[in-house]
Amino acid sequence: AQKITQTQPGMFVQEKEAVTLDCTYDTSDPSYGLFWYKQPSSGEMIFLIYQGSYDQQNATEGRYSLNFQKARKSANLVISASQLGDSAMYFCAMREGSRGSNYKLTFGKGTLLTVNP
Amino acid sequence: DGGITQSPKYLFRKEGQNVTLSCEQNLNHDAMYWYRQDPGQGLRLIYYSQIVNDFQKGDIAEGYSVSREKKESFPLTVTSAQKNPTAFYLCASSRGWREKLFFGSGTQLSVL
Repeated sequence: AQKITQTQPGMFVQEKEAVTLDCTYDTSDPSYGLFWYKQPSSGEMIFLIYQGSYDQQNATEGRYSLNFQKARKSANLVISASQLGDSAMYFCAMREGSRGSNYKLTFGKGTLLTVNP
Repeated sequence: DGGITQSPKYLFRKEGQNVTLSCEQNLNHDAMYWYRQDPGQGLRLIYYSQIVNDFQKGDIAEGYSVSREKKESFPLTVTSAQKNPTAFYLCASSRGWREKLFFGSGTQLSVL
């Protein structure tokens, strides 16, 4: 079974509008962390936002926020006020395990976001 | 500026040849990782190292080898046993187990 599922291969959004990129995850470990990364056409991976399984509040970083619904095992990324530079591939990733036990980060297959002017 | 340097940016391999991808970091991070990315796919973990002189296999380690003799360096060798090596290879590092990964700019490996 896939650990991370991103069901939207591609998404389109108009400039200045908000967009939600979906991510669901599968784990039986109570301790885990969820990450979102952006990959522009240049190929480099850029960290956007992190949510820990025990965090009480949804994470926010500037225009990025994470809609964390633990019971549904979803961690959707919300980008507000989209910009042309937001056009890129977006990856959701998860790290499972307690401190020191697991350094592995598992990635989903990604969503290609295109921002239209 | 601190960061991760991968070289070369593009690499070509002949059949039966071993090639080595370089990854150097000056972030003083303990953990380093190698990921493979195929077109339209997510990243898959090849090897990772939590500390110098120690490394573990990831999900797709067959046909690859690594070493971690220095904290700053984590080279990846793609051996002739890897029958489908064409892919984009990304090196990353992190300070600790909960920390975010910092990535290099990647190496595109192609087979001649």
